[in-house]
Amino acid sequence: AQSVAQPEDQVNVAEGNPLTVKCTYSVSGNPYLFWYVQYPNRGLQFLLKYITGDNLVKGSYGFEAEFNKSQTSFHLKKPSALVSDSALYFCAVRAIHNNDMRFGAGTRLTVKP
Amino acid sequence: SQTIHQWPATLVQPVGSPLSLECTVEGTSNPNLYWYRQAAGRGLQLLFYSVGIGQISSEVPQNLSASRPQDRQFILSSKKLLLSDSGFYLCAWSVSGAYGEQFFGPGTRLTVL
Repeated sequence: AQSVAQPEDQVNVAEGNPLTVKCTYSVSGNPYLFWYVQYPNRGLQFLLKYITGDNLVKGSYGFEAEFNKSQTSFHLKKPSALVSDSALYFCAVRAIHNNDMRFGAGTRLTVKP
Repeated sequence: SQTIHQWPATLVQPVGSPLSLECTVEGTSNPNLYWYRQAAGRGLQLLFYSVGIGQISSEVPQNLSASRPQDRQFILSSKKLLLSDSGFYLCAWSVSGAYGEQFFGPGTRLTVL
């Protein structure tokens, strides 16, 4: 069965600095990987996904993520953080022949002015 | 474009009362549909998913049930609520037969007293 680990409960960065939110995964075969963002009392919003192809994936709001097969990681990055990026971030994985998606526990990102 | 609706947005119910949460999707046909529960603003627990009318898969045994009476309608129910049923309930959809991202509704905040 597939699973995702987000090793950091909380990430704090200063506005304008680069940010990284970490994710590692476990799956049989090739993975489909996703990042979502959740603002308070809202549903999850899709940010980006890796299915195949280029290991560096660009998504919404200036976010990007890098797929690293050897390290089974899919870290979320942004070159310059905004205060408005403060939210809860979820990494998710699904196996190619599996219908359901597994989510990590979430990482709370706080960007301070 | 596709949209997903959930109602009610918030609900306060006494222990032992019944529950019915509704989710509808517009702008797509034969979607895969999902119910998740999120406790304490953290990780998502998959409760049920459906690949078609009348087809429900349950991920965890509990006092909740799901039904899909129409192609784009997904209902979460309980005959008798427990305190532990409190949480944030999220409905999601994805394109049938594909392995891409899921799209989430705005959620229902359920408090059982």
